[in-house]
Amino acid sequence: DGGITQSPKYLFRKEGQNVTLSCEQNLNHDAMYWYRQDPGQGLRLIYYSQIVNDFQKGDIAEGYSVSREKKESFPLTVTSAQKNPTAFYLCASSSGPRTDTQYFGPGTRLTVL
Amino acid sequence: AQSVTQLDSQVPVFEEAPVELRCNYSSSVSVYLFWYVQYPNQGLQLLLKYLSGSTLVKGINGFEAEFNKSQTSFHLRKPSVHISDTAEYFCAVSGVGGSEKLVFGKGTKLTVNP
Repeated sequence: DGGITQSPKYLFRKEGQNVTLSCEQNLNHDAMYWYRQDPGQGLRLIYYSQIVNDFQKGDIAEGYSVSREKKESFPLTVTSAQKNPTAFYLCASSSGPRTDTQYFGPGTRLTVL
Repeated sequence: AQSVTQLDSQVPVFEEAPVELRCNYSSSVSVYLFWYVQYPNQGLQLLLKYLSGSTLVKGINGFEAEFNKSQTSFHLRKPSVHISDTAEYFCAVSGVGGSEKLVFGKGTKLTVNP
């Protein structure tokens, strides 16, 4: 089945540690996105990539980093510089044009202990 | 830049009642508009989208929305809701030309009670 997978579903981190969230898609989509969701805040864009080996900062990129070495993969690293990383993280992909539907993964819930 | 305002953070209704979830947007250019639904602890799923043409858009699960350019609104409606419609609903906008970004509203939590 085609879709987007995110792992792990739940992630616990100690303060000061970097963690990497996985996002894989087999939809052959060019564009991929990372969003952060906090209660009552909606979705805020962290980073997006329209093509392999290229990505752009979203609205809240500070404390995060990404890579796009393969079309199907777009991992997100939450660094120790992110002041308040506890949140629900959603990955999405689309075929590219802004008119196209974004397809979302099931999300990763990150908790900082 | 675009922005989206969802006027109600929570909407409680009884089963089989009609519902309207309100969305207003702001943009200096023409827009594309979307409604997504999120069930608890899951990702988002597209309900419907407006790109051009007819201002009344029909989506999945019996939902529809109407684009009103003069009022800059894109309200979501369903004539009769079910318990299974309980979820959070997000309105989103992207601008014609310019950035590829999709801007989301803060969401409306719909609770359908028996």
